[in-house]
Amino acid sequence: ETGVTQSPTHLIKTRGQQVTLRCSSQSGHNTVSWYQQALGQGPQFIFQYYREEENGRGNFPPRFSGLQFPNYSSELNVNALELDDSALYLCASSGGGTGGYEQYFGPGTRLTVT
Amino acid sequence: AQKVTQAQTEISVVEKEDVTLDCVYETRDTTYYLFWYKQPPSGELVFLIRRNSFDEQNEISGRYSWNFQKSTSSFNFTITASQVVDSAVYFCALSEVQTDSWGKLQFGAGTQVVVTP
Repeated sequence: ETGVTQSPTHLIKTRGQQVTLRCSSQSGHNTVSWYQQALGQGPQFIFQYYREEENGRGNFPPRFSGLQFPNYSSELNVNALELDDSALYLCASSGGGTGGYEQYFGPGTRLTVT
Repeated sequence: AQKVTQAQTEISVVEKEDVTLDCVYETRDTTYYLFWYKQPPSGELVFLIRRNSFDEQNEISGRYSWNFQKSTSSFNFTITASQVVDSAVYFCALSEVQTDSWGKLQFGAGTQVVVTP
């Protein structure tokens, strides 16, 4: 069984640029969630995709957007990068669209905005 | 408002000591789920346990055990006979089964556990 994978591992961008992060869900999982984890803090929920539809969103501005593909992999796009966007971005997959399923996390993408 | 509170910022123990991590949560839902995750220095969050609001039975799984008490909204986690490999940040998380919170894990701030030989 393949676990959750994310790419790239690390990324350095300049303020104002755009970035795309990618996630492949665990085999058999149809739900992907994205989280932002600032240094020294707990992860914050960005949004969730279930069968290619957005299924919940946290308190993040519209410049954070996403996609889920038919194979359930997902992308997180961030436009107009700000310095505060520097964080570890975690993708998690789960087996259902409800909140009761445990979410399995990937290794994360470390984004640095300068 | 913070839904999950982990009051302990850091706990340091010597190997083989027991470690108990505190977690207090806040919800108005009658149906919810609680989780513990471990984040080692590599950064990947590792799922440890899940409990639903209808099951207050406390269990032991290997060196891990948990104490879920709805009356005090607490979901504490214990590592017995700690090992150096247990050194990590441990997160408690809540998932509420409301439409606008569906699928959203709400994490506490985490507790850093340092186990020294």
